[in-house]
Amino acid sequence: SAVISQKPSRDICQRGTSLTIQCQVDSQVTMMFWYRQQPGQSLTLIATANQGSEATYESGFVIDKFPISRPNLTFSTLTVSNMSPEDSSIYLCSVLWTSSYEQYFGPGTRLTVT
Amino acid sequence: GEDVEQSLFLSVREGDSSVINCTYTDSSSTYLYWYKQEPGAGLQLLTYIFSNMDMKQDQRLTVLLNKKDKHLSLRIADTQTGDSAIYFCAETTGTASKLTFGTGTRLQVTL
Repeated sequence: SAVISQKPSRDICQRGTSLTIQCQVDSQVTMMFWYRQQPGQSLTLIATANQGSEATYESGFVIDKFPISRPNLTFSTLTVSNMSPEDSSIYLCSVLWTSSYEQYFGPGTRLTVT
Repeated sequence: GEDVEQSLFLSVREGDSSVINCTYTDSSSTYLYWYKQEPGAGLQLLTYIFSNMDMKQDQRLTVLLNKKDKHLSLRIADTQTGDSAIYFCAETTGTASKLTFGTGTRLQVTL
């Protein structure tokens, strides 16, 4: 398995500001993903972040709103830009072990926008 | 597009077996997963099954896959109060490896 940490674990932000969420993995992984879980809902994929290439965004998510960095095989960031109350969610990163196809999740970042 | 459905709620008595069901629509699903989410916590990978298998057992957990009916189930034997959580099934297709999640089933274990 993987040990995945996220920072911050939670934050309360004002409308119009931006927040960068960090995801750190204790092993090198090629494939990382960012998901959003809106209150009381299931998880939705925002983007796939593979090292050495641009992030691939899912329908309904755009780079200007959710820029992603993947500078190396153990780290990624997701920025939530120009926040509105509708962005209040839990944001989770995940990693895929391609040898076993096991996918593990970080503990999540709980974001509240006021 | 993909669609993964689960019943919203299941209540069982401690010591009984729980069966959580999941249906999916994409016949090209390759891996199917079960995750557990406790209140205020992240997602814990419980188990997963490759689409060419029809059953997988891991201690108290048994996964059954019916590809013909696109139906996946998770059976928890001897359910305990610590099993109370939301359970999500999820699927991946092809080589994309991105997960499509079900709606989640809240399992309540009563004494």
